[in-house]
Amino acid sequence: QVQLQESGPGLVKPSQTLSLTCTVSGGSISSGSYYWSWIRQPAGKGLEWIGRIYTSGSTNYNPSLKSRVTISVDTSKNQFSLKLSSVTAADTAVYYCARDGFPAENWFDPWGQGTLVTVSS
Amino acid sequence: SYVLTQPPSVSVAPGKTARITCGGNNIGSKSVHWYQQKPGQAPVLVIYYDSDRPSGIPERFSGSNSGNTATLTISRVEAGDEADYYCQVWDSSSDVVFGGGTKLTVL
Repeated sequence: QVQLQESGPGLVKPSQTLSLTCTVSGGSISSGSYYWSWIRQPAGKGLEWIGRIYTSGSTNYNPSLKSRVTISVDTSKNQFSLKLSSVTAADTAVYYCARDGFPAENWFDPWGQGTLVTVSS
Repeated sequence: SYVLTQPPSVSVAPGKTARITCGGNNIGSKSVHWYQQKPGQAPVLVIYYDSDRPSGIPERFSGSNSGNTATLTISRVEAGDEADYYCQVWDSSSDVVFGGGTKLTVL
């Protein structure tokens, strides 16, 4: 059974770049026709999709974040990563990674447990 | 951009039926997926393709979708069903869209 685990710094300074990694276990990130997504949730608020990547390197990003987001994949490590540049307090959130069945099965399952990233000086 | 509208809260007594709606323009033409999120936990998929249940999800959870409204129905509600519920669709212009979420309170 596939499991996902986010990792990375819990505190990032304003204007710097947020970097997170999602490690996939229980299966190969390259198996099947799955994409891999990042989703975030500010405290007490709803879910916001950030973007997705396929193991070929093909990406799609949320237009509202596209100018600041880069998602990459390392199939040798069974990992994919998120970089969000020029962060502000508004980027403080729990960040989740999830398997994305795009385009045919366009739901998210499973999800990682999430990691809280706080943007503060 | 495509917008999904959910009621902020729904309350139901134990053993009764809870219905959580998700409104969107012609949402009946899209596939709707639902997630349950308990406090401090990651979301869990409970319904996909409008009405299908992943393995391990109780039959008490069901879904429907028609016109401008999709509905998540939870029958014989239990205290453990208390959570936030989110609907989600894919839209050709907006890509992934989540509803704002509904807090289900079991009285």
